[in-house]
Amino acid sequence: GAVVSQHPSRVICKSGTSVKIECRSLDFQATTMFWYRQFPKQSLMLMATSNEGSKATYEQGVEKDKFLINHASLTLSTLTVTSAHPEDSSFYICSARDIQDNQPQHFGDGTRLSIL
Amino acid sequence: QKEVEQDPGPLSVPEGAIVSLNCTYSNSAFQYFMWYRQYSRKGPELLMYTYSSGNKEDGRFTAQVDKSSKYISLFIRDSQPSDSATYLCAMQSPGGYNKLIFGAGTRLAVHP
Repeated sequence: GAVVSQHPSRVICKSGTSVKIECRSLDFQATTMFWYRQFPKQSLMLMATSNEGSKATYEQGVEKDKFLINHASLTLSTLTVTSAHPEDSSFYICSARDIQDNQPQHFGDGTRLSIL
Repeated sequence: QKEVEQDPGPLSVPEGAIVSLNCTYSNSAFQYFMWYRQYSRKGPELLMYTYSSGNKEDGRFTAQVDKSSKYISLFIRDSQPSDSATYLCAMQSPGGYNKLIFGAGTRLAVHP
């Protein structure tokens, strides 16, 4: 089956630090990758859609300069949380879709980010 | 009104019970329907993926889609404690870049 690897799984760092999270599709090519944020006991909230070779599309209310997304290849997208603050602490999850049309999204295992 | 409605539960059932999870939606453009299972502190895992009305079965799981009523269901037979998780329905309209719209997720607990 389709495997999406997300790294790191857990990050604890001081306020003001920038944190990079990687999302890789291991056995398929993904034209489109998605970044979500999830608060405890809530559903996933889409932050942005990442398209290979072009700028990401951000959802309303998500700061582009705060959450930098790069999708440099068909198997890798990165999310960088710049100058992170305690309110950025959350569970961040990526997903990827196969390059073929009409395939479902497959999710990584998420990154738990804690800003002290 | 949310595009996708899902009862968040929690739902508690004894081992061996048949579980029924449901979602309703309002957007008739949705053509693809998914059920994901999410364990605590993990990413969602795809369970079922359908794109037509009717039933689809995979082991103990059956997904049912009724487009005329805008209603989807997931049935779990012979439920096990290992099925305890949050179940998320998700829907998508056609098009490569169209995003998934998730339900709130239903928390299920199967007790021995």
